[in-house]
Amino acid sequence: EIVMTQSPATLSVSPGEGATLSCRASQSVSSNLAWYQQKPGQAPRLLIYGASTRATGIPARFSGSGSGTEFTLTISSLQSEDFAVYFCLQYNYWPPWTFGQGTKVEIK
Amino acid sequence: EVHLVESGGGLIQPGGSLRLSCAASGFTVSSNYMSWVRQAPGKGLEWVSVIYSGGSTYYTDSVKGRFTISRDNSKNTLYLQMNSLRAEDTAVYYCANLNGGTYYYYFDYWGQGTLVTVSS
Repeated sequence: EIVMTQSPATLSVSPGEGATLSCRASQSVSSNLAWYQQKPGQAPRLLIYGASTRATGIPARFSGSGSGTEFTLTISSLQSEDFAVYFCLQYNYWPPWTFGQGTKVEIK
Repeated sequence: EVHLVESGGGLIQPGGSLRLSCAASGFTVSSNYMSWVRQAPGKGLEWVSVIYSGGSTYYTDSVKGRFTISRDNSKNTLYLQMNSLRAEDTAVYYCANLNGGTYYYYFDYWGQGTLVTVSS
């Protein structure tokens, strides 16, 4: 089973600033990595798939990069609606699909 | 437009059974790979089970032999039959559609979730 590790656990950011979230895989997952945003009481929302392709309707301030074992989600200028928990998912080896434990982006 | 609506959650005693449903619209359940993913209170996401379009099913180790995923094509609905429930099964259960091309499938559409609480 592939273990996904996200860092940091919590990121405190001021509105308008940028944020960089990391996700590491225990072995290479190629570019088969997705990012999700989850707000309290809501289902996860797909942001990025294929490590860097934005899903339909996702603003350009969200960008993904990386391949192999190291991945990054960058939010260029945080808006109020971006404060949430972000999860990465590897889908290179499945089942099982495996998620990172999440990074909470909170208002500084 | 794709919609997934779960139902069937609730409070159940340890050892009990529950069946979750996920009604789909905007696409055909039997043509897609469909999954259940759960999230314990305050925790991360955990994949639980998948049913392929061809009917094959797979489970995470902790639910093997206790949970059964199935679908009703006539109702365009996905199910999760959960037996021998344990406290550690307490979670919000989401159904999710898997999108992909040749071999690599990721979750794109999710339902709103249904809460299962296992407690005496």
